[in-house]
Amino acid sequence: GAVVSQHPSWVICKSGTSVKIECRSLDFQATTMFWYRQFPKQSLMLMATSNEGSKATYEQGVEKDKFLINHASLTLSTLTVTSAHPEDSSFYICSARDMGGNQPQHFGDGTRLSIL
Amino acid sequence: AQSVTQLDSQVPVFEEAPVELRCNYSSSVSVYLFWYVQYPNQGLQLLLKYLSGSTLVKGINGFEAEFNKSQTSFHLRKPSVHISDTAEYFCAVSLNTGRRALTFGSGTRLQVQP
Repeated sequence: GAVVSQHPSWVICKSGTSVKIECRSLDFQATTMFWYRQFPKQSLMLMATSNEGSKATYEQGVEKDKFLINHASLTLSTLTVTSAHPEDSSFYICSARDMGGNQPQHFGDGTRLSIL
Repeated sequence: AQSVTQLDSQVPVFEEAPVELRCNYSSSVSVYLFWYVQYPNQGLQLLLKYLSGSTLVKGINGFEAEFNKSQTSFHLRKPSVHISDTAEYFCAVSLNTGRRALTFGSGTRLQVQP
């Protein structure tokens, strides 16, 4: 089945540093990937849609200069949290949709980001 | 815009009992419907989806769901649950055109007790 790999699974870093999270579709090509944020015991909130070869589409209220998204190939999208602060601590999950037809989104295992 | 309401935040049930997790949606256009399961500190796994056709959809792990257009519902059911079914369950919708981003419900915590 379709596999999405997300790396790292857990990261702890100091306030002010930047953190890059990778999302890879391992056995299919994805022109579109999605980035979600999930707070404890809450649902997933869409942050942005990552489009291969073009700029990402951000949801209302999401700072594009804070959360940089790069979708350089059909199998890789990256989310960089720039100058991270404790309020950016969260669980970040990516998903990817196969190019063909009505395929559902397949999710990575998420990245637990903790900013000290 | 679409919205999803999961009426129960928590559902406790005994092992081998049947369970139903409720989901209602709102949309002015046709949508696709999904149920995902999330285990602690993991991403989401697709249980089943409704795109078109038969309103009764069967998924993995013995789960099934029924699409009811008149009631705008997509309830998830399992006739006999196991301890291993304890997890968070999310109902989601997407448009059937465009980028098809998912809109999630708030989730239902299924707690299976021995």
